[in-house]
Amino acid sequence: DAGITQSPRHKVTETGTPVTLRCHQTENHRYMYWYRQDPGHGLRLIHYSYGVKDTDKGEVSDGYSVSRSKTEDFLLTLESATSSQTSVYFCAVGQGAQGYTFGSGTRLTVV
Amino acid sequence: GQQVMQIPQYQHVQEGEDFTTYCNSSTTLSNIQWYKQRPGGHPVFLIQLVKSGEVKKQKRLTFQFGEAKKNSSLHITATQTTDVGTYFCAGLGSGGGADGLTFGKGTHLIIQP
Repeated sequence: DAGITQSPRHKVTETGTPVTLRCHQTENHRYMYWYRQDPGHGLRLIHYSYGVKDTDKGEVSDGYSVSRSKTEDFLLTLESATSSQTSVYFCAVGQGAQGYTFGSGTRLTVV
Repeated sequence: GQQVMQIPQYQHVQEGEDFTTYCNSSTTLSNIQWYKQRPGGHPVFLIQLVKSGEVKKQKRLTFQFGEAKKNSSLHITATQTTDVGTYFCAGLGSGGGADGLTFGKGTHLIIQP
């Protein structure tokens, strides 16, 4: 969909290690978003970007950082992974009024 | 902050029965969108409603936006097994902010053949 690729698709990591998830888009969208999805919580916004080097915090940003050095790439970093960050992470692109296109997701397990 | 509540959380229906999910916002919305997520998949955009009282149809799916632009519903007529999944509403605040959509927690539709 809309040329969005998330990597890796699955990852298991140990508590305390840094982890970086990548979202790559080929559609030149200005707006990009990182969500996490957990049972009973739906989709919660972690961070978003409205342009190169322009990012801001979402609802559940603690423990996460992001970077966007190029239009096409939006990176999500867990500085020191904790078990509470075990989740499915979705990247989305688009501007609200036109609907979002989501990537296929990254399933992260922190052990 | 803006909150979007969605009910029910789970809905079991027999194939062929109708299904409705409801969405309520704590604030007035500029628009509301609906997404479907199949089991193991990612959310897929279905539709956007913008106008007060708007009703849109997609085959067996009917979407409504309330007069006050604070609530919405999705109704599926005569469900089929292909309708299985989680349906999310998502609202864009009246400020139309760059922080984008606020999603409801979703309604899981389970269909028994």
